[in-house]
Amino acid sequence: DQQVKQNSPSLSVQEGRISILNCDYTNSMFDYFLWYKKYPAEGPTFLISISSIKDKNEDGRFTVFLNKSAKHLSLHIVPSQPGDSAVYFCAAVEGGGADGLTFGKGTHLIIQP
Amino acid sequence: KAGVTQTPRYLIKTRGQQVTLSCSPISGHRSVSWYQQTPGQGLQFLFEYFSETQRNKGNFPGRFSGRQFSNSRSEMNVSTLELGDSALYLCASSLVQTGIQYFGAGTRLSVL
Repeated sequence: DQQVKQNSPSLSVQEGRISILNCDYTNSMFDYFLWYKKYPAEGPTFLISISSIKDKNEDGRFTVFLNKSAKHLSLHIVPSQPGDSAVYFCAAVEGGGADGLTFGKGTHLIIQP
Repeated sequence: KAGVTQTPRYLIKTRGQQVTLSCSPISGHRSVSWYQQTPGQGLQFLFEYFSETQRNKGNFPGRFSGRQFSNSRSEMNVSTLELGDSALYLCASSLVQTGIQYFGAGTRLSVL
């Protein structure tokens, strides 16, 4: 049973445009959400996070939105750059971290020139 | 500040053997978690150590074990290797148990 779902395995966006990556979750006990970026042959790199008490968090070109009622979060990248091409993972954790991070299966973002 | 270091980067073993992977966390981080990444299952939580104690464990058989030393360095061990254990094993460290986790580059294990 997948508790964190990223329904788009891949996404292609033109350079300079907005990239929107989506993530849905089923466990209402999750209270902290993170986005990681992964290049081949490297470990995931932390990008941005959001607590369940907020609905938006911004860091430079990256913004994460959380809709708790819909159990949905999204990552916006504006403007998209070629170096953003990577696999993006959404992750969630319950208070206390009893089960570690629960990851989605990732979305491969391809930025086209 | 040095990041999370995992050794070795690549490993080839045969079925039935055992293997030990090592992880050095970021200096000052006391929580170390291990994850397995496979194409089919994605990233799955193995276990987490905090101050030398295993605090949490994922849904993996007892062949998977680990430990943490007083300097926060951690090792994970897989005994009686199976073909299905072929995966990328990732270690992550964090300042507090539920803080942001920072990952190493991983150890790619191939079981033949």
